[in-house]
Amino acid sequence: QSVLTQPPSTSGTPGQRVTISCSGSSSNIAKNYVYWFQHLPGTAPKLLIYNSDQRPSGVPDRFSGSKSGTSASLAISGLRSEDEADYYCAAWDDNLSGRVFGGGTKLTVL
Amino acid sequence: EVQLVESGGGLVQPGGSLRLSCVASGFTFSSHSMNWVRQAPGRGLEWVSYISASSSAIYYADSVKGRFTISRDNAKNSLYLQMNSLRVEDTAVYYCVRDGTLTEWPEDWGQGALVTVSS
Repeated sequence: QSVLTQPPSTSGTPGQRVTISCSGSSSNIAKNYVYWFQHLPGTAPKLLIYNSDQRPSGVPDRFSGSKSGTSASLAISGLRSEDEADYYCAAWDDNLSGRVFGGGTKLTVL
Repeated sequence: EVQLVESGGGLVQPGGSLRLSCVASGFTFSSHSMNWVRQAPGRGLEWVSYISASSSAIYYADSVKGRFTISRDNAKNSLYLQMNSLRVEDTAVYYCVRDGTLTEWPEDWGQGALVTVSS
């Protein structure tokens, strides 16, 4: 069981907006930045969001991140078939003195 | 182009040891913190260990603390993971991962090295 909790799966139709939640605690999300990764099968994971709401160069603005208290969210607007992937949140945990990943959410584009 | 090439994976019996290596190219290795991240079959990503650019800061996941040792040789552009007292649950693909300069979090990943712990 992961320190950061994500729903195992979610789905949406092309063009729709979907959100993926990430629930943590006072030792991780509440005090530290959140990061989001996209992992397509057979490829290397890609950093989508850093510092909770910043996009690295090259990441479309369809992807956005937010954080409030002990929870964070990744929103994907204008859903596309190529967005079908596994999504992971991550953060630094002060109690564990280490980085932690969420369990991952499988996004299916119907 | 950033390249991270892992080696050293393989089959090992429970209780055994293995050393993973990662050779980096295409960037100034000595300027970047590095990580090992693993993914067990059918499971999600799990961060294993972090080492700062100068090796002054090192962190481990609780699941490997006391058994794994991360190290680097900036002169050889290489990252290492010494894995001792291996358990069946350590079976996974191990990725060598570079932290970005701006984000300071994983941005570039190697192709991975498969470690199988089985009798």
